[in-house]
Amino acid sequence: QKEVEQNSGPLSVPEGAIASLNCTYSDRGSQSFFWYRQYSGKSPELIMSIYSNGDKEDGRFTAQLNKASQYVSLLIRDSQPSDSATYLCAVNVANFGNEKLTFGTGTRLTIIP
Amino acid sequence: EPEVTQTPSHQVTQMGQEVILRCVPISNHLYFYWYRQILGQKVEFLVSFYNNEISEKSEIFDDQFSVERPDGSNFTLKIRSTKLEDSAMYFCASKVKGLAAQYEQYFGPGTRLTVT
Repeated sequence: QKEVEQNSGPLSVPEGAIASLNCTYSDRGSQSFFWYRQYSGKSPELIMSIYSNGDKEDGRFTAQLNKASQYVSLLIRDSQPSDSATYLCAVNVANFGNEKLTFGTGTRLTIIP
Repeated sequence: EPEVTQTPSHQVTQMGQEVILRCVPISNHLYFYWYRQILGQKVEFLVSFYNNEISEKSEIFDDQFSVERPDGSNFTLKIRSTKLEDSAMYFCASKVKGLAAQYEQYFGPGTRLTVT
């Protein structure tokens, strides 16, 4: 069973601080890694993708990947109240370009004004 | 910016009835997916579709489920005889096939299916 694990939270972070979200995965063959944001009652919204080891930055977001440790993380700098949401880690199980996504249960993040 | 659309936003049906959920993927995308999310649970893969045929399906996607691309724009999920446990949010997603940077799946707003 291919698994993606996340702490369910809630994770509370003061406004302006750095929020750190973590995810581990079990399938060493995984090739692509994604962070989605999901507001309550809404659909997953893609915020970051990462494919190779190291860091990838996009605005206030930084994704970090360590394939040897099977670990992917998301840092949110200068956290804003609008960042309060559930963050879903998703991993692809590649099959010749098809790539179904396996999701974690999500981490609920609350930014405290 | 192009986006995936889904209709209806909410569907209420009685157990045993057939429902069809509709999706319009992003126009230049070639891979299409259905996922579902039962309230309070994780997003689960149902089926992927490429070149007018199913590429992969999960164990959830049994004989009660079917998918179709009836024309050049719509992508549908049919549940033949709904059960109470089919109540969930159903998300359509699509993806451009190509370079590694285009492995990203974009989700529609979802259809909330309530089976009574």
